[in-house]
Amino acid sequence: DVKVTQSSRYLVKRTGEKVFLECVQDMDHENMFWYRQDPGLGLRLIYFSYDVKMKEKGDIPEGYSVSREKKERFSLILESASTNQTSMYLCASSLGPGLAGLAAYEQYFGPGTRLTVT
Amino acid sequence: EDQVTQSPEALRLQEGESSSLNCSYTVSGLRGLFWYRQDPGKGPEFLFTLYSAGEEKEKERLKATLTKKESFLHITAPKPEDSATYLCAVQPILTGGGNKLTFGTGTQLKVEL
Repeated sequence: DVKVTQSSRYLVKRTGEKVFLECVQDMDHENMFWYRQDPGLGLRLIYFSYDVKMKEKGDIPEGYSVSREKKERFSLILESASTNQTSMYLCASSLGPGLAGLAAYEQYFGPGTRLTVT
Repeated sequence: EDQVTQSPEALRLQEGESSSLNCSYTVSGLRGLFWYRQDPGKGPEFLFTLYSAGEEKEKERLKATLTKKESFLHITAPKPEDSATYLCAVQPILTGGGNKLTFGTGTQLKVEL
């Protein structure tokens, strides 16, 4: 089974703090993703990475950055946390194109981090 | 722009009362449509992938179907443990790569005894 883990289930930070959210997957997946989920808005993609040290902006990258130094680990960084970044943050991974065919695009999610910024 | 609309937003069923959830989508070219289940406070759990119109997949009391414009998640004789939010997502065929999913906002299902 694919396992995606996230560093914290719950996190409370103050406005202006630098926040690090970490995600680790154990299935040698090429692609990793960071989403945020808010009531009524669904899941929105912040950033994704299709290889080590490679990253691409998603739909809402403002106020966030990412780091992928190793294949299994993808970090989301809030440079200066603000109250409007209070949300559920979800990490996902997928195998990526290759021998697995279309199933390579299935994304598997971690348990989420509920971040509150006060 | 890719769009996914799920209906209804919320559904309350009695145990054993079968029903269907709808996912309508617009996408320039569909690579795959994905169904997930999400329990409160947890990450989405992968259920099914559908790739072409006419395809069907089943898992226990759930059956997912796909047409060129929508997908249905049929729930047969549901039990209280089927209560969750069900999410639908589409992945378009993009030139130049990319692996992004566009999600709907989900249907919140509650099954009562």
